[in-house]
Amino acid sequence: DAGVTQSPTHLIKTRGQQVTLRCSPKSGHDTVSWYQQALGQGPQFIFQYYEEEERQRGNFPDRFSGHQFPNYSSELNVNALLLGDSALYLCASSLGLVVEQYFGPGTRLTVT
Amino acid sequence: GQSLEQPSEVTAVEGAIVQINCTYQTSGFYGLSWYQQHDGGAPTFLSYNGLDGLEETGRFSSFLSRSDSYGYLLLQELQMKDSASYFCAEGSPGAGSYQLTFGKGTKLSVIP
Repeated sequence: DAGVTQSPTHLIKTRGQQVTLRCSPKSGHDTVSWYQQALGQGPQFIFQYYEEEERQRGNFPDRFSGHQFPNYSSELNVNALLLGDSALYLCASSLGLVVEQYFGPGTRLTVT
Repeated sequence: GQSLEQPSEVTAVEGAIVQINCTYQTSGFYGLSWYQQHDGGAPTFLSYNGLDGLEETGRFSSFLSRSDSYGYLLLQELQMKDSASYFCAEGSPGAGSYQLTFGKGTKLSVIP
């Protein structure tokens, strides 16, 4: 039973560039949420996708966008990268809109 | 908005019991979840309290008191592998969505 997978594991980008992060949910799950976790902080909710639609969005600017595909996998795009975007980006999946979410190992993004 | 407060660090001895507290100030509180995250790892779901009282899952128990806006995670028979960060999180169902708001986390160090 494959868990949540994310790619790439690490990424280094330059300020002003654009980045795309990918997530495959746990087998059987249809809902994907994205979180940003700064060092020493708790994860912060970016947005959630269900039925290929963005259902809810946290306090993040429009530079952060996403997509969910028919196979339930998802992408997170960040444009015009800032140094402050350096963080661990976590993807979490669930079956429907429920409490228990399964997290992937994350993508460590460093912006220089 | 939502705000969850928890101690930043706790140290306990192997075999002992430790309690990690979480107080919250939220509008429209629904329930409190707990997640464990080892260094470099993904957060994993531990428990959820939707109603007041105690929920027990093996060595871990979680408690919620809505009247006091307070909850805690209790870890018994501590093991070295329990050294990790523990996050309380509040779930906010929206229109066709479910958002988690996390506290900043409590770093638990288990010492011999």
